[in-house]
Amino acid sequence: ETGVTQSPTHLIKTRGQQVTLRCSSQSGHNTVSWYQQALGQGPQFIFQYYREEENGRGNFPPRFSGLQFPNYSSELNVNALELDDSALYLCASSSLAGVTGELFFGEGSRLTVL
Amino acid sequence: GENVEQHPSTLSVQEGDSAVIKCTYSDSASNYFPWYKQELGKRPQLIIDIRSNVGEKKDQRIAVTLNKTAKHFSLHITETQPEDSAVYFCAGSDYGGSQGNLIFGKGTKLSVKP
Repeated sequence: ETGVTQSPTHLIKTRGQQVTLRCSSQSGHNTVSWYQQALGQGPQFIFQYYREEENGRGNFPPRFSGLQFPNYSSELNVNALELDDSALYLCASSSLAGVTGELFFGEGSRLTVL
Repeated sequence: GENVEQHPSTLSVQEGDSAVIKCTYSDSASNYFPWYKQELGKRPQLIIDIRSNVGEKKDQRIAVTLNKTAKHFSLHITETQPEDSAVYFCAGSDYGGSQGNLIFGKGTKLSVKP
């Protein structure tokens, strides 16, 4: 069974640039959620994708957008980067048909905005 | 929307002692409450969860209790070991958990001293 994988693991961008983060969900999982974890804070829900459509969104501006592909992998795109976007971005997969409801997290992509 | 408060933010115990972390939630519709453990530089991993139709759940040295009336839930770790040292996050969800809309607390850094 393949776990959740994310890329890149680390990246540095400058303010105003755009970034794309990628996530491959765990085998058999059809739902992907993205979280932003600032240093010393809990993960904050950005949005969730199910069947290639957004299926719930947290309190994040429209410059945070995403995609889900037919193989259930996903991308998170952030436009017009701001300094406060510096954080660990976590992807988590799950199955809506699952019994436990557990989210399986990837190791994250650490974004630094200068 | 849901708001989850967690305390204490830091907790230091001697090996073998018990540790208790408490969380409160605001949305009475929340019905799924997982606890995640995040070791330094690693992904969050589920350690135990509880649904609103259950008052207590135990798994070896870890237990979780839920008081729906008071809207609070707690994590209890007995016979703590140095490998229990990590940041623990509680979360609430009003979608049964599997849909990924988890709202996390800010975390508790647990240190277990040998």
